[in-house]
Amino acid sequence: DTGVSQDPRHKITKRGQNVTFRCDPISEHNRLYWYRQTLGQGPEFLTYFQNEAQLEKSRLLSDRFSAERPKGSFSTLEIQRTEQGDSAMYLCASSPGTGGKNIQYFGAGTRLSVL
Amino acid sequence: AQRVTQPEKLLSVFKGAPVELKCNYSYSGSPELFWYVQYSRQRLQLLLRHISRESIKGFTADLNKGETSFHLKKPFAQEEDSAMYYCALQNTGTASKLTFGTGTRLQVTL
Repeated sequence: DTGVSQDPRHKITKRGQNVTFRCDPISEHNRLYWYRQTLGQGPEFLTYFQNEAQLEKSRLLSDRFSAERPKGSFSTLEIQRTEQGDSAMYLCASSPGTGGKNIQYFGAGTRLSVL
Repeated sequence: AQRVTQPEKLLSVFKGAPVELKCNYSYSGSPELFWYVQYSRQRLQLLLRHISRESIKGFTADLNKGETSFHLKKPFAQEEDSAMYYCALQNTGTASKLTFGTGTRLQVTL
């Protein structure tokens, strides 16, 4: 499968624990996005990387959230001290670049359940 | 601020009937609009974008700047069209992030 890959697919954790998700974008896509989707809502933008640089963060991304893309390839999203309100589907998307080539391709997501 | 509104959570139609999924947007710049579809147990995937002016799987969508709408249409619904449909607006900033509507579930019945 050469699409966007996310791991794990499901994560169940207890409140207060830390969790980390991984996203592997489509090869040679230099843009990477994280979105969050809660029940009954569309995906909401969290953050964006151009290569290894994190260029934009949403106000939804509290200081308990941190994202990295150390070598401009895969990315990780870490949530510290999880809360029940963090329960959601976390989606990663990648795109090749700007203008007509900036179609975003989505991964299958990581579903987080905080007990 | 940009916003996308999909007024219907659920649209149920009979097979062979016409389909129209509504999408209205609010954006101060020149928008780029998309329809994404999510079939059961599959990932979100692009259906069509307004600048390509294509017909994909029989679906079309026309950008109406006067009404700020981008409704998705298909003349004859098929069972395999049953899915969740999201309208999305891409901003023209550096990030080109997507703003999604809340989605409409299309249910095509026999």
